[in-house]
Amino acid sequence: GNSVTQMEGPVTLSEEAFLTINCTYTATGYPSLFWYVQYPGEGLQLLLKATKADDKGSNKGFEATYRKETTSFHLEKGSVQVSDSAVYFCALSDRRGTGGFKTIFGAGTRLFVKA
Amino acid sequence: DTEVTQTPKHLVMGMTNKKSLKCEQHMGHRAMYWYKQKAKKPPELMFVYSYEKLSINESVPSRFSPECPNSSLLNLHLHALQPEDSALYLCASSGAGGDGYGYTFGSGTRLTVV
Repeated sequence: GNSVTQMEGPVTLSEEAFLTINCTYTATGYPSLFWYVQYPGEGLQLLLKATKADDKGSNKGFEATYRKETTSFHLEKGSVQVSDSAVYFCALSDRRGTGGFKTIFGAGTRLFVKA
Repeated sequence: DTEVTQTPKHLVMGMTNKKSLKCEQHMGHRAMYWYKQKAKKPPELMFVYSYEKLSINESVPSRFSPECPNSSLLNLHLHALQPEDSALYLCASSGAGGDGYGYTFGSGTRLTVV
C-alpha cells in the first residue's frame, strides 16, 4: 500500500541555519504530496503542496519539489527562525471511492531552532 | 471564513459517560474527516464524510459514532470509552472534488478518559 517515510528527529538547528527534512514515498498512481506543520498545542496546518511531478510547492520561505524519479518530496528552508520550531509531517493523498480522500502521514519530524 | 472550529477544546470524561465532539466549517467544503492523534504520533484517520454521507470508516470501534447533520457540521459521539482512547481528536475538511487541495484542520479536542 501507499506509505510515507520521513527522517527521524529531533532536528536541532541554530537560527538562520539551512533546513532539510527528507521525505520519500511509495504510491501507486499519481498522488498529491503535502507538508503539514503542527505547532505545540495546535492542530495541523497545510504548509505547502504539489500535485504532479516536478511541481514545486512553496510557502513562508519553505520549498519542496515533487520528484517522481526519486519518489521524494524533501522540505527545505534557507534560513530558519525560532518561530519555525514545530513538528513537520510529510503526507500524500490516497484517493479512494468517489468522494473525500485519505491522507497518509509520515511519522513527523520535530524541529527545534535555537536563538 | 477559512477556519474549522472544534468544541470543546478539552474534555475529561469517565468510562461510563456519553459525550459529543463538535466540528463546524463554513468554507463550502463537502468532505469532512475525523482523525485521532496520540502524543508524538501522526494523525490516524477514523472517518470520512463526503456530501454528508459516510464514505470511509477505518474499522473504528462502535464506541465512536460519527454524525454529519448537514454540510457544515460534523459530530463525534462518544460512549463507554477506554483510557487508551485518550488523545487529540482532530476534525478536518476539504473540497471533495479533488485531492490536490489538502485539508484544513481544526485545533482539536484534547480528550482524557478517566
